[in-house]
Amino acid sequence: QVQLQESGPGLAKPSQTLSLTCTVSGGSISSGSYFWSWIRQPAGKGLEWIGRISYSGTTNYNPSLKSRVSISVDKSNNQFSLKLTSVTAADTAVYYCARANWGCSGGVCFSFFDYWGHGTLVTVSS
Amino acid sequence: SSELTQDPAVSVALGQTVRITCQGDSLRNSYASWYQQRPGQAPVLVIFDKNNRPSGIPDRFSGSRSGNTASLTINGAQAEDEADYYCSSRDISGDHLEVFGGGTKLTVL
Repeated sequence: QVQLQESGPGLAKPSQTLSLTCTVSGGSISSGSYFWSWIRQPAGKGLEWIGRISYSGTTNYNPSLKSRVSISVDKSNNQFSLKLTSVTAADTAVYYCARANWGCSGGVCFSFFDYWGHGTLVTVSS
Repeated sequence: SSELTQDPAVSVALGQTVRITCQGDSLRNSYASWYQQRPGQAPVLVIFDKNNRPSGIPDRFSGSRSGNTASLTINGAQAEDEADYYCSSRDISGDHLEVFGGGTKLTVL
């Protein structure tokens, strides 16, 4: 059973960099054609996809955050990480890491997040 | 990038059938996945691909797609189904980015 666990500071100061790590257990981050993703959710609001990374290091980001986001992978420790620069109060949210599975068949594609971490609250405040 | 639109709130009487919909251009070429989120908990995948349920998800949950609309149907809604439901799919263009709907709050009366 694959498990994901977010870790990192629960508090970030405005204008600084938010850094989180997701540790994957029960499976190798290098196996399969998965994408390892970050998703966030401000209190009382919906889910927002932040970005993803493949085991080979290919990254894609939400255009609304692209200028401030970077995601990296550490295969030796079975982890992937999120960095979000120049944070403001609007970045206060619960941050989730998740595994994305995807494929196409018969001209129709699918994508889904089958494993999620429990989430970690990051508050941006001075 | 594509957007997915969901009704903010839906209600259903206990034991009745409810359909939650998700609209967006990406759904013309992609299946939606559906997530249940109870208060204070992480989202849980309930439907993926054409109409598949992960292990442990009751068979009262089913999914379908027509044109640009995906639907999550709960046949015989139970009290424990009261939750927020989110759809998600992959953008059909460019880098095939992921996108979530705004979520639907399901109330079981």
